[in-house]
Amino acid sequence: AQSVAQPEDQVNVAEGNPLTVKCTYSVSGNPYLFWYVQYPNRGLQFLLKYITGDNLVKGSYGFEAEFNKSQTSFHLKKPSALVSDSALYFCAVRDGVDSSYKLIFGSGTRLLVRP
Amino acid sequence: DGGITQSPKYLFRKEGQNVTLSCEQNLNHDAMYWYRQDPGQGLRLIYYSQIVNDFQKGDIAEGYSVSREKKESFPLTVTSAQKNPTAFYLCASSGSPYEQYFGPGTRLTVT
Repeated sequence: AQSVAQPEDQVNVAEGNPLTVKCTYSVSGNPYLFWYVQYPNRGLQFLLKYITGDNLVKGSYGFEAEFNKSQTSFHLKKPSALVSDSALYFCAVRDGVDSSYKLIFGSGTRLLVRP
Repeated sequence: DGGITQSPKYLFRKEGQNVTLSCEQNLNHDAMYWYRQDPGQGLRLIYYSQIVNDFQKGDIAEGYSVSREKKESFPLTVTSAQKNPTAFYLCASSGSPYEQYFGPGTRLTVT
């Protein structure tokens, strides 16, 4: 069965420091991986995706993520955090053998960037 | 939030009443989805539709119903059979096998 784990409920980082939000996944076939961000009382905004190719994926707002097949991970990173990055972040996966296009979401990680 | 609209933003209902949440998209996407979000539980799939006049149950379909009579519209009805309807409801659409795009959400409170 497909699953996604975000092991940290909250990540705290100082502005200007690098940040990492962790995600691991489990699928039967090839994974399609996604990161979304949610601000309070808003919908989810798409940040980036990994489908195939280069393991390092660059996305919106300076975020990037690294696909690691051996560790089944897709961690979200940013070299220098901003206070405005504070939000709820979701990792999601789709199994490449699933024709329904369904995404499975992790439970979310709250990122708090302090000034 | 792209070309997906959800209305209303906030909705209040008495227990025992059915309520319908609207979702409209102008992205010409074939697939549409409804999710429920509760604190600390991420998103859970209620129903999805990959084509007009066809839809499938998700992981938590009990107490909910949908229709897909038009490509751009995918309304969700929360029935009185749903035990804990108070939640944040998100609609999404997809035009490819990959990312989904989300509407702004409707916060439903049932008392």
